[in-house]
Amino acid sequence: GEDVEQSLFLSVREGDSSVINCTYTDSSSTYLYWYKQEPGAGLQLLTYIFSNMDMKQDQRLTVLLNKKDKHLSLRIADTQTGDSAIYFCAEMDSSYKLIFGSGTRLLVRP
Amino acid sequence: NAGVTQTPKFRILKIGQSMTLQCTQDMNHNYMYWYRQDPGMGLKLIYYSVGAGITDKGEVPNGYNVSRSTTEDFPLRLELAAPSQTSVYFCASSTLAGVFYEQYFGPGTRLTVT
Repeated sequence: GEDVEQSLFLSVREGDSSVINCTYTDSSSTYLYWYKQEPGAGLQLLTYIFSNMDMKQDQRLTVLLNKKDKHLSLRIADTQTGDSAIYFCAEMDSSYKLIFGSGTRLLVRP
Repeated sequence: NAGVTQTPKFRILKIGQSMTLQCTQDMNHNYMYWYRQDPGMGLKLIYYSVGAGITDKGEVPNGYNVSRSTTEDFPLRLELAAPSQTSVYFCASSTLAGVFYEQYFGPGTRLTVT
């Protein structure tokens, strides 16, 4: 079945770039997503990429997609303490359901 | 718009008790979902609905039931609560906007079964 994997934890210094990685298994996924979850809150869509794109940039966020390796990454430039959260990668399956990774906890140190 | 609202925010149940988690959306979305999130884990799909009167099982449906009598509401029922159902429950809704698809999440219900 489909599976989405992410590393569990990332720690960076404020002002540095953060790169969160994700691998997925369903090569037919149309869209891939990054969601952010702050403590005690629900998930909020950060950005997404369509499967026929290699890269998408949105202000401080850059998403890279390598379809051959089924690898997705999220780069956050100039990381701030407010970026500390859990980041979830998700792929959409053929019946419009999202398959989530287990999340990467990003800690930004002052 | 309020978006997706969930009640209650917190609940403690004793083993064997029953309860209903409420979920309402005011965006006229056809699709609605229930997920559970266990500590340190991602979201697992419990049930989903593609429209009023239509529901289907997700990855972890055992111990739960749902109904969808209106577009707005999608309650999740726990009949005989077990400690394994201690989790945070999220409701979400979505629609296909052109070819794009985004799920909007509620704030969650934190449930403890003791």
